[in-house]
Amino acid sequence: DTGVSQNPRHKITKRGQNVTFRCDPISEHNRLYWYRQTLGQGPEFLTYFQNEAQLEKSRLLSDRFSAERPKGSFSTLEIQRTEQGDSAMYLCASSPLGYEQFFGPGTRLTVL
Amino acid sequence: KQEVTQIPAALSVPEGENLVLNCSFTDSAIYNLQWFRQDPGKGLTSLLLIQSSQREQTSGRLNASLDKSSGRSTLYIAASQPGDSATYLCAVRPSDYKLSFGAGTTVTVRA
Repeated sequence: DTGVSQNPRHKITKRGQNVTFRCDPISEHNRLYWYRQTLGQGPEFLTYFQNEAQLEKSRLLSDRFSAERPKGSFSTLEIQRTEQGDSAMYLCASSPLGYEQFFGPGTRLTVL
Repeated sequence: KQEVTQIPAALSVPEGENLVLNCSFTDSAIYNLQWFRQDPGKGLTSLLLIQSSQREQTSGRLNASLDKSSGRSTLYIAASQPGDSATYLCAVRPSDYKLSFGAGTTVTVRA
């Protein structure tokens, strides 16, 4: 399957711990996006990369959040000192330049 | 700021009935509009993408229309089946990159 993959699919952590999620985009897609979705809401944009450059960050992305895409391929999203309000589904998407976005299965984070 | 609204929030229909899902957006300056399906606890599956220059797009039993000037899109699903039960999300692309989503319409098709 050559779709977008995300790992882990589920993560349960205690408040204050750090967590890291990984996204592997479709191989020829040079754009990669991170979104966050809370229960009953649509996804909200967090950040996006074009190749290895992070070009935009939402105000939702506090300084506890950091995202990287070191070689323009996979990306990681790290949350430091997690809070209960960080509990959500974290979705990754990829696209060719400016075209249709394809989403991965998401990582569900639960902060206890 | 682009606001996307989907009405109704939930819909229950008997099998075989046609579904009509509505999406409205506040800023008509969009690149395109996508309709997605989301099953519980899962990611998003793209159903249809309509470019800003298009009026409608069709795929099988699905048809989506776009009226950019009035800020509206409608997704039609013909002859609904229980397998169509899911949440349907509308998203507009107001810029060259990010999508702005509505909160979705949760559809239940009763057998």
